[in-house]
Amino acid sequence: KNEVEQSPQNLTAQEGEFITINCSYSVGISALHWLQQHPGGGIVSLFMLSSGKKKHGRLIATINIQEKHSSLHITASHPRDSAVYICAVTDTGNQFYFGTGTSLTVIP
Amino acid sequence: DTAVSQTPKYLVTQMGNDKSIKCEQNLGHDTMYWYKQDSKKFLKIMFSYNNKELIINETVPNRFSPKSPDKAHLNLHINSLELGDSAVYFCASRQGPQAYNEQFFGPGTRLTVL
Repeated sequence: KNEVEQSPQNLTAQEGEFITINCSYSVGISALHWLQQHPGGGIVSLFMLSSGKKKHGRLIATINIQEKHSSLHITASHPRDSAVYICAVTDTGNQFYFGTGTSLTVIP
Repeated sequence: DTAVSQTPKYLVTQMGNDKSIKCEQNLGHDTMYWYKQDSKKFLKIMFSYNNKELIINETVPNRFSPKSPDKAHLNLHINSLELGDSAVYFCASRQGPQAYNEQFFGPGTRLTVL
């Protein structure tokens, strides 16, 4: 069983929809990361969280440490949001664990 | 200005060959990483270097060896390449080993072993 589980694996949405991607983890963490991998392959760090909530533009990331769960929300989705979103955690021993990614397609 | 750069972007080679992938960061970071992304898009950490010392080494075959000539560079040498080494390899860097510092990724090197 993977230390980091994401759902859904694949997601198709209409432009303008509100999107939620979930991440659950089983280890004690120092930080949780949300990464975006574009269709061209490049990886960008979107958020790094250790508690609470962060917002950047139309993207919102939340984390509940007690429940070992994080969500990434995209408001007013746009076709350019189409990408793979990867949840990753750094545990208290500085080990990295990655989720398998959520492939998002936003249709115009 | 590219923050983290990798060369080459694509590498096609025969089984049994030895190859290197180079990584350079101009962010002044002191921790660098190599990741492997397999055909199923699953990312896995391979190595981490902090101040030229290896601090994480996952269960990676010893055919893979990271070399850091200075703080700005972390190169990946692969000996006796195998078919299963075909993957995309990403370099990344961050300031310090602390988990709460953001990582910056290179564009990736797609390695194909024939």
